[in-house]
Amino acid sequence: NAGVTQTPKFQVLKTGQSMTLQCAQDMNHNSMYWYRQDPGMGLRLIYYSASEGTTDKGEVPNGYNVSRLNKREFSLRLESAAPSQTSVYFCASAPGPYATEAFFGQGTRLTVV
Amino acid sequence: AQSVAQPEDQVNVAEGNPLTVKCTYSVSGNPYLFWYVQYPNRGLQFLLKYITGDNLVKGSYGFEAEFNKSQTSFHLKKPSALVSDSALYFCVLKGNYGQNFVFGPGTRLSVLP
Repeated sequence: NAGVTQTPKFQVLKTGQSMTLQCAQDMNHNSMYWYRQDPGMGLRLIYYSASEGTTDKGEVPNGYNVSRLNKREFSLRLESAAPSQTSVYFCASAPGPYATEAFFGQGTRLTVV
Repeated sequence: AQSVAQPEDQVNVAEGNPLTVKCTYSVSGNPYLFWYVQYPNRGLQFLLKYITGDNLVKGSYGFEAEFNKSQTSFHLKKPSALVSDSALYFCVLKGNYGQNFVFGPGTRLSVLP
């Protein structure tokens, strides 16, 4: 049982490049989340998806887009990367809106130079 | 609005001594509260949660936490610290009718041999 799988684990981008972070869960969860982790700030919510085909902005959505094409997968896209987007990105999933636990992937460490 | 505070950036404790990592929260309604731990260059691991019932919650690796509604606190404790407990600890809040998991800024615990 893999849980939540994120790819890639590490990535270096040049300013202005684009990329997509992939996330997949095999727990049949409805809710999925993308967070970014920065020193001293905990994890901040970028976007979340309550169900397939729906997405909503979180606390820090600027510069990102997301796609929830099916129940398993929730991708995060950076259209034009900026150094301020250097961070560790975590994907998470939960059974639904009243879930009492979230399950996290191992994270993607992204550096924008 | 929901928020979580962890008043200490860093906690240092000697091995074998008891440890406490503090957390206070603000939320409308009844909270779901969690502690997660992050070891260096690793993902997030679930330690314990409070949903309802007994105010003292026991979790993984000998950790426990006490929910105090009047003080809006959820402090993490362990009777005897180990060097291997050194990590970054996050207190997390979810409103019982809300979608999102809100993270505190994190407290870095160092257990000294």
